[in-house]
Amino acid sequence: NAGVMQNPRHLVRRRGQEARLRCSPMKGHSHVYWYRQLPEEGLKFMVYLQKENIIDESGMPKERFSAEFPKEGPSILRIQQVVRGDSAAYFCASSSRSSSYNEQFFGPGTRLTVL
Amino acid sequence: GEDVEQSLFLSVREGDSSVINCTYTDSSSTYLYWYKQEPGAGLQLLTYIFSNMDMKQDQRLTVLLNKKDKHLSLRIADTQTGDSAIYFCAERTSSNTGKLIFGQGTTLQVKP
Repeated sequence: NAGVMQNPRHLVRRRGQEARLRCSPMKGHSHVYWYRQLPEEGLKFMVYLQKENIIDESGMPKERFSAEFPKEGPSILRIQQVVRGDSAAYFCASSSRSSSYNEQFFGPGTRLTVL
Repeated sequence: GEDVEQSLFLSVREGDSSVINCTYTDSSSTYLYWYKQEPGAGLQLLTYIFSNMDMKQDQRLTVLLNKKDKHLSLRIADTQTGDSAIYFCAERTSSNTGKLIFGQGTTLQVKP
C-alpha cells in the first residue's frame, strides 16, 4: 500500500508564473489536508478537502491560491502569479475519516522555490 | 485562539533521556500528537494522546499531558543518534474538520 504521493518534489518558478502541486492520497483515503511550512517554522493548515468538496479553507490566502480534489485523480493545490513569499514546503496529508482519532499520513512534501 | 508553542532546540548525549515540551492554548483540544520530521522528509506520527488521558507510554516514548496547565511533553528514553530530528507537537481542536495546529518544532540534537 503506497503512502501519500506528492509531485513534484521540488519546483522552481519565476515570479508571476503558476505553480501546480499534486497530491495522491493513500488508497482508501477520501480526506486530504494541505499544510504550508515556511523556513524555520511549523506547519500551517491551509485547506481540507473531501472528494469534490472543499470543507474548510480557513487557512488559504484569499487571493491566488486554490485547491481541488476531483472525483478522479489527485488533489491539486494551485498558486497563480507566484511571489517570493510563496517559497515554502507544501505538505499534503490524507486520512480515512475526519472524526475521532484520525491519523493524518503525510507525504514527502513539495519544496517550492520562487526566483 | 489556537496557538502551540515549543522550545526551539534541545541537545542531549546518546543514552540520556530527552524531554521535549509543548504548551497550547485551546482548552477544547481533543487529541494531541507528536510528529517527527527528518531532514528533507515529511512528517511521521510518533504517538498521540486523547485529552482525557494523563499519560501514555509506547516503548521508549512517554507522553505526559497536564490539561490544567495546557502542557504536553514527550520523553524519549535512551536517546539514540537516529532520534536526531525535528519534533512537532500538534493539537486537534474540537472542530469537526480535523485540522491540526502545529508548534514551530523542536530540533533535537543527539551527540555521540
